[in-house]
Amino acid sequence: DGGITQSPKYLFRKEGQNVTLSCEQNLNHDAMYWYRQDPGQGLRLIYYSQIVNDFQKGDIAEGYSVSREKKESFPLTVTSAQKNPTAFYLCATRAGGPYNEQFFGPGTRLTVL
Amino acid sequence: KNQVEQSPQSLIILEGKNCTLQCNYTVSPFSNLRWYKQDTGRGPVSLTIMTFSENTKSNGRYTATLDADTKQSSLHITASQLSDSASYICVVSAENSGYALNFGKGTSLLVTP
Repeated sequence: DGGITQSPKYLFRKEGQNVTLSCEQNLNHDAMYWYRQDPGQGLRLIYYSQIVNDFQKGDIAEGYSVSREKKESFPLTVTSAQKNPTAFYLCATRAGGPYNEQFFGPGTRLTVL
Repeated sequence: KNQVEQSPQSLIILEGKNCTLQCNYTVSPFSNLRWYKQDTGRGPVSLTIMTFSENTKSNGRYTATLDADTKQSSLHITASQLSDSASYICVVSAENSGYALNFGKGTSLLVTP
C-alpha cells in the first residue's frame, strides 16, 4: 500500500446517488490512476492524470468524473449515470525511472443498494 | 490487440509444495512485465519487474522468468505457505504507451494445510 491511502474502505450507496472516493498519496509521484476491478476480470482503467490540473479518460470513463487540483489528491466521483457501479476501486500512482512501476492503494469496495 | 492471458485460472496446492503460474502476452513493442500479488480485498503489491534484457528475477520464494522470444513468463513459488494464498496478476506494458498497462485476469492460488 505504501504511501497511498484510499477512503473509505467500504462504501454503500443508494441508487441515484453520487459518491466520491478519496485517494491521497505522499510519494511525490506525478501520475495517478483509477482502476475498477470486477470478479474474474482484469483491472480496467477509468481515468488517469499525468500532472496537476490535467486528466484523461481511460477505457471505461462513462459515469465517472475526477479532479486533480493537487499533486497529492485524485478523487473519483461515481455518478448516478454509472449503470453498474458495484465494484472494487483501486487508485494507483506511477514512479518514473526505467520501470515506470505502479503502486496501488488498498482499495475501496463500493456497493450500491 | 494487446492481450495478456494467464493460466491456470485457479490452483489449489498443499502447503510446502511448489507451483508455477503462466503468463502469455501479445503486447508489442514490449517494455516490461510485472507480477503482482493481490490478497483478497487489498491492493496489488509488486513482486517482480522484468525488462526485455532480463530473463529471471527472484524475490524470496518467488522467481519470475521471461522469454521475450516466445512472449511467455512464469512465476514459480517455492515451498508454498498459507500466506501465499492470493491472486497473482501479470501486467505487461508496451514501449511509449505512457499510461497504458495490459492486465491479465489473474490466477487465484489457494494453499491448504
